[in-house]
Order: sequence, then C-alpha cells, then structure tokens
Amino acid sequence: NAGVMQNPRHLVRRRGQEARLRCSPMKGHSHVYWYRQLPEEGLKFMVYLQKENIIDESGMPKERFSAEFPKEGPSILRIQQVVRGDSAAYFCASSPVAGGLTYNEQFFGPGTRLTVL
Amino acid sequence: DQQVKQNSPSLSVQEGRISILNCDYTNSMFDYFLWYKKYPAEGPTFLISISSIKDKNEDGRFTVFLNKSAKHLSLHIVPSQPGDSAVYFCAASGETDKLIFGTGTRLQVFP
Repeated sequence: NAGVMQNPRHLVRRRGQEARLRCSPMKGHSHVYWYRQLPEEGLKFMVYLQKENIIDESGMPKERFSAEFPKEGPSILRIQQVVRGDSAAYFCASSPVAGGLTYNEQFFGPGTRLTVL
Repeated sequence: DQQVKQNSPSLSVQEGRISILNCDYTNSMFDYFLWYKKYPAEGPTFLISISSIKDKNEDGRFTVFLNKSAKHLSLHIVPSQPGDSAVYFCAASGETDKLIFGTGTRLQVFP
C-alpha cells in the first residue's frame, strides 16, 4: 500500500521560471493538503483541496502560486516566476475523510525540495 | 503570530531514560493535537494524537498529556531509544482541517 508520493524530490529552477510540484495521495484518500517548510522553521499550511475543489487556500500567497486537484491524476502545486524566497521544502499530505480518521491525522509525502538559483 | 510554540529547539537524553517534549498553544478553539516525527530529507510521520476532551493518550512507548487550562501538551517517550533521534513537531487543528505546526524540537538519544 503505497504512501503519499511526491515528485520530483528535488527541483532546481532559475529566477523567473515556473515550478510544478506533483502529489499523489494515498489510495482511497480524496483530501490533499500542501505545506511549506522554510529552513529552520516549522511547516506552514498553504492549501487544502478535495477532488476538483479548493476548500481552503488561506495560506497561499496571493500571487504566483496556484494549486489544483483534478478528477484524474495528481494534485499540482504551481509556482510561476519563482524567486529565491520560494526555496523551501514543499510537503503534501492526504487524509481519507475530512477531519482524518480520528483526530485529523494527515499522512505526509517525502517532500519536494525546491532550490531557486 | 505563532499559535503553536515549541520553546526548546533541542533535547539530549540518554538511552533508556524518559524524553519529555513540550508544546504550548494560544488558541483555545483548537480541538485536536498531534505529534509528528521527522527525519532529515523525509516527510513528517504521524506518531500520536489527542482530542481536547481527553487529558492523556497512550500508544506503546509514547504518551501525550494535555493540560487545557495551561494550554500545554507534552509527549513522553519511555524508554528512549537511539532510533528516536529526530525532530518532533507538535501540531494543532480547530474548526478547519489545516494543521498549525510548532517549530520543532530536535531530540538526540545517546547511548
């Protein structure tokens, strides 16, 4: 039973390029969350999606960032015109139902480490 | 505005002894609290959680205690093992499903 999968694991972009991060949730999970971890900090919530719907994007920067979770295929976090400050680890998590199994448990992927040169 | 705080960035414990990791929060509307463990270059792994209606939850070597009046929770690991060496994150959630994380405590268990 595969866990949450993220690719690529490492991504290097030059300033101004686009970054696309992919997340495949665990089998049977229809809720996806994206978090960002800056160096020496905790994880910060970005966006919560269900299939074809954005439920909560209160943590997403207003510009350059977008997320989707189509009916078929992985969830995508897209960063346009990247800047050096976007360098971070981006983690995706999934859960089978809203509120997790019991206490809002979310299961995390290995992350994508984005480096902007 | 840091709603979940882990004031100890690091903790060093001898193998076999108890590890106690602490977490404080400010939002009284939080109703679930979770602990995650993270190794370098990996995603966080769920460890244990507790509902705000309880004051203790135990799973093997891991016990989480919640003191609602003090807005404080702690994770006890007994006995500590070298494989427990990792960064531990406290997280909380409330009306929405998003998790609010603390900044983490790096635990080192030495022989």
